[in-house]
Amino acid sequence: QKEVEQDPGPLSVPEGAIVSLNCTYSNSAFQYFMWYRQYSRKGPELLMYTYSSGNKEDGRFTAQVDKSSKYISLFIRDSQPSDSATYLCAISLGGGATNKLIFGTGTLLAVQP
Amino acid sequence: GAVVSQHPSRVICKSGTSVKIECRSLDFQATTMFWYRQFPKQSLMLMATSNEGSKATYEQGVEKDKFLINHASLTLSTLTVTSAHPEDSSFYICSALPTPGQGASNYGYTFGSGTRLTVV
Repeated sequence: QKEVEQDPGPLSVPEGAIVSLNCTYSNSAFQYFMWYRQYSRKGPELLMYTYSSGNKEDGRFTAQVDKSSKYISLFIRDSQPSDSATYLCAISLGGGATNKLIFGTGTLLAVQP
Repeated sequence: GAVVSQHPSRVICKSGTSVKIECRSLDFQATTMFWYRQFPKQSLMLMATSNEGSKATYEQGVEKDKFLINHASLTLSTLTVTSAHPEDSSFYICSALPTPGQGASNYGYTFGSGTRLTVV
């Protein structure tokens, strides 16, 4: 079983739609959860990070962690064509240098104008 | 904000030659940098953790003699792919973790823009 599972998509939505992206993980010891956005042929860009269970909102983006279900989500409201990219979830046991990030495979999102 | 510069962005080399990729933290010091490899439509796979002034820590299955890492300063780490072969063709990405005490976030490492290596 992979440590992090993520549906690769592709996911296609019309502009203005609410997008839901999800990952599941297997190890309940993971404490830090991140979402990255990666445009084609570019490095990942950090969107959100959360610690333990709960919600975190930043503009049109909301990250949600449910540790009891080992399930993390990223919601994008009022999606825009510029949101078209690959979204990667990443998890870590801790926040420091000794705790490496484990990435999901990424979900390719296309927002149609 | 924290910026990581990676160079070159794209390189084509002949089989058997070596290629060096640079990763620089531009506006912060990074004691620790990470090197990843990404195949098309696949996730980032950590290759090694690079620590300034010490030997890199390689992940299982990564040949340390093939992928040489040097982290000689707090702002620069290099990855050298030695005797490259076509199967080494991939997208290589570095990330940097700010040294504590600089006021930068210790979470969500900053990534470079990646290097597309093609070995012919």
